[in-house]
Amino acid sequence: ETGVTQTPRHLVMGMTNKKSLKCEQHLGHNAMYWYKQSAKKPLELMFVYSLEERVENNSVPSRFSPECPNSSHLFLHLHTLQPEDSALYLCASSPASRTDYTGELFFGEGSRLTVL
Amino acid sequence: SQQGEEDPQALSIQEGENATMNCSYKTSINNLQWYRQNSGRGLVHLILIRSNEREKHSGRLRVTLDTSKKSSSLLITASRAADTASYFCATSYSGYSTLTFGKGTMLLVSP
Repeated sequence: ETGVTQTPRHLVMGMTNKKSLKCEQHLGHNAMYWYKQSAKKPLELMFVYSLEERVENNSVPSRFSPECPNSSHLFLHLHTLQPEDSALYLCASSPASRTDYTGELFFGEGSRLTVL
Repeated sequence: SQQGEEDPQALSIQEGENATMNCSYKTSINNLQWYRQNSGRGLVHLILIRSNEREKHSGRLRVTLDTSKKSSSLLITASRAADTASYFCATSYSGYSTLTFGKGTMLLVSP
C-alpha cells in the first residue's frame, strides 16, 4: 500500500449530485489535510484534522463537508457543487503536533473533480 | 497575501543542464520546503530547510536560504527528462500553524 491513497482518481458530477472523496493514510500520522488545486492558483488549504478533530477550516463553502472517522481516514462530502469547484483535490497527512502543522506533508495522488 | 512567489513561472532547458528556481517570501519564517509535482499527480516533498540553515543538499538537489533577502533557491544539477515537473515552495511563517504554498515553477527538460 502506498502512503496516502485517494479514491476515486477521477470524478464527474452534476451540480445536483452528492458524491464523496475518500483518503486513507498508512503512515501512522495524526494529522490529515484537504487541499484544492486549481489551474494557475496556489494550493489552497481547505481543512486540517488532528486526531480526528477539525482544527482548521479556511472559509470553505458549506457545500464541502469533511469527515474524519479515525486518524487513518478522511472524507470530503460534496453536494450542490458549482462548475468553479472543478479542480484537483489533494489529501495529505503529516506527523504533526497538536498545534503545529508546518512539517513535511505526504500527499496522495489527488482526485480530479469535474462539475458539469 | 503571505504566499511565496516562485520565479520563473516556467523554465525550459536541455538534459544535462542545471536548473535554478527561486522563491521569495514576505515575513519571517520557521522553515521553507520544496515540493515536486508531476503532471496531474500529488506533490512529493524534496527538502526542508530551517530558518537557521543556509544550505542543504539531497542528491542532485541543492537548496539555499537567504533570510536577509527573504528568498530561497532550488538548484537541480545535471537535469534529466524525468525532472520535468512543477516545483513549489511552501513556507512556514512565524505565528502561522500551517504551510503557505506558492504558484510553482513549471520545469521542462528536453532530451
